[in-house]
Amino acid sequence: SAVISQKPSRDICQRGTSLTIQCQVDSQVTMMFWYRQQPGQSLTLIATANQGSEATYESGFVIDKFPISRPNLTFSTLTVSNMSPEDSSIYLCSVYLSTGGVGQFFGPGTRLTVL
Amino acid sequence: AQKVTQAQTEISVVEKEDVTLDCVYETRDTTYYLFWYKQPPSGELVFLIRRNSFDEQNEISGRYSWNFQKSTSSFNFTITASQVVDSAVYFCALSERFPGNTPLVFGKGTRLSVIA
Repeated sequence: SAVISQKPSRDICQRGTSLTIQCQVDSQVTMMFWYRQQPGQSLTLIATANQGSEATYESGFVIDKFPISRPNLTFSTLTVSNMSPEDSSIYLCSVYLSTGGVGQFFGPGTRLTVL
Repeated sequence: AQKVTQAQTEISVVEKEDVTLDCVYETRDTTYYLFWYKQPPSGELVFLIRRNSFDEQNEISGRYSWNFQKSTSSFNFTITASQVVDSAVYFCALSERFPGNTPLVFGKGTRLSVIA
């Protein structure tokens, strides 16, 4: 089945800095989704990233805080900018795969701690 | 608007007991997809099943079974003869229309603890 990888798997960052999270899929996909999971909570959609166009953000998430790139059909990045402790979460990318198992699959996640 | 409700926040069972996790959904679309995921303590989200709105057949996979009832807007998940390795948070999710083009809406999750 297709593989979704994320880098880094975890990081500890200082307040005010930025972190870029990478998501790589080993097959081409149209849409990639970025979710946030705050401690003990469910998953919340941050944005939808379509190759060749600007990402679409959900209410409560803005491009200045969470800029996203989608340079090709297998890769995307999410940056968490000017971080505060409230940004401490697991960030997950997700794609829909129709080969090697049909469903919406998630990367392993990036566990971010902001001090 | 779409919504997924998992009313059970936490469930604790003794090993070998059967357990059912409830999921109730709301949507105005006639075409939608329902999912279940397992999130063990390690944190990764493991895909368990996808079911579309036109397929009401129940599904069984080993010790896992799913009961989809459109009449009650429910998609419940049963684990038979539970094991300690089943301890995890389980999420039910909904996607309207084709899931490749639309994101998932998740329930709040049910934390299952299986005690040896």
